[in-house]
Amino acid sequence: AQSVTQPDIHITVSEGASLELRCNYSYGATPYLFWYVQSPGQGLQLLLKYFSGDTLVQGIKGFEAEFKRSQSSFNLRKPSVHWSDAAEYFCAVGLNYGGSQGNLIFGKGTKLSVKP
Amino acid sequence: GAGVSQSPSNKVTEKGKDVELRCDPISGHTALYWYRQSLGQGLEFLIYFQGNSAPDKSGLPSDRFSAERTGGSVSTLTIQRTQQEDSAVYLCASSLILPRPNEQFFGPGTRLTVL
Repeated sequence: AQSVTQPDIHITVSEGASLELRCNYSYGATPYLFWYVQSPGQGLQLLLKYFSGDTLVQGIKGFEAEFKRSQSSFNLRKPSVHWSDAAEYFCAVGLNYGGSQGNLIFGKGTKLSVKP
Repeated sequence: GAGVSQSPSNKVTEKGKDVELRCDPISGHTALYWYRQSLGQGLEFLIYFQGNSAPDKSGLPSDRFSAERTGGSVSTLTIQRTQQEDSAVYLCASSLILPRPNEQFFGPGTRLTVL
């Protein structure tokens, strides 16, 4: 069955430090991968997506993610974290129903706290 | 431009009552999704609409849950005889239809509390 695992429930980093949020997926077909961010009381906003091609993808707010097929991973990174990055981050895989799109399967999320 | 909107933003109801949650997708988005977000469960898929039809209802947790979409636009999620375990944030998302998984745009959600 398809699944997404985010091993870290909660991470705290200092402002200005680098960040890496882990995501592993289980999916039998070509994965379509997404990272979303949810600030308190807000809906989900797309940070970046991977469909094919270059395995290093750039997103908004200075985030990037690298797709590694051999490790079934799609880790999110940012070189220098800002206090405004404190939020919950969700990794997701998009289901592909025989060429037609389906829903997203989400990981349980990683809550990021930023220390001043 | 206008994003996905949901109403009400908050709903408090008593156990056993019926509730209706509304979603207005982005204009022109043919695909519409409902998800439920609860503590400890993350985001769970409920139902997917393509136009007015629902090819995938596999996530609806019980027959107390139903949804419809009219005019290829507004969707309503109805929960009958609400239970305390139905308390959660209900999120709606919409997207264009493409022959592959695509970015979904999310609304702010409706927080449902069942007393």
